[in-house]
Amino acid sequence: AQTVTQSQPEMSVQEAETVTLSCTYDTSESDYYLFWYKQPPSRQMILVIRQEAYKQQNATENRFSVNFQKAAKSFSLKISDSQLGDAAMYFCAYRTPLGFGNEKLTFGTGTRLTIIP
Amino acid sequence: KAGVTQTPRYLIKTRGQQVTLSCSPISGHRSVSWYQQTPGQGLQFLFEYFSETQRNKGNFPGRFSGRQFSNSRSEMNVSTLELGDSALYLCASSLSAVNTEAFFGQGTRLTVV
Repeated sequence: AQTVTQSQPEMSVQEAETVTLSCTYDTSESDYYLFWYKQPPSRQMILVIRQEAYKQQNATENRFSVNFQKAAKSFSLKISDSQLGDAAMYFCAYRTPLGFGNEKLTFGTGTRLTIIP
Repeated sequence: KAGVTQTPRYLIKTRGQQVTLSCSPISGHRSVSWYQQTPGQGLQFLFEYFSETQRNKGNFPGRFSGRQFSNSRSEMNVSTLELGDSALYLCASSLSAVNTEAFFGQGTRLTVV
């Protein structure tokens, strides 16, 4: 079974600084998808960024970028120029592609990010 | 375009009762998944529906069930509620079973007393 581990329960960063959230996963599959979701106090899970395992290039979405190390099974999220609105729980998630029989999202335990003004 | 809508937002039930939660996916989305979020267990997959068929099921007892209608709206039902069923129940929709990008609703907060 696939597992996702987030070893940092809490992180904090000064506004406008850069922070990196860590995520490791375990899988025997070669093709899969990885995601970072943000859950603010409103509770709605918001997709931040996605990465296809077959793509070597790291995904980037504005201030958010990932460092995907497939061999190390590592998928960290870097937030640049942190803003107060970035404060939230961040979840790393894994999903197998269609056809593998269990196409669910497997989530890590989350990292609570605090932005210090 | 409206997002994923879950109703009700909050619910308080008594042990032994049953409850039905509703999820309306984004228009055009045919895949709906349900997740349970608790402080102790985190986010756990309940089940996934596509075109009115349950394609995947998580490791939950038979008290948890669901269905999907022809308009892709989905309901989940929990019978004989237990205190441990208190949780945030999240619904996610995606365009198809192939498309892996899931959009979540704001959830239903269920409290069992």
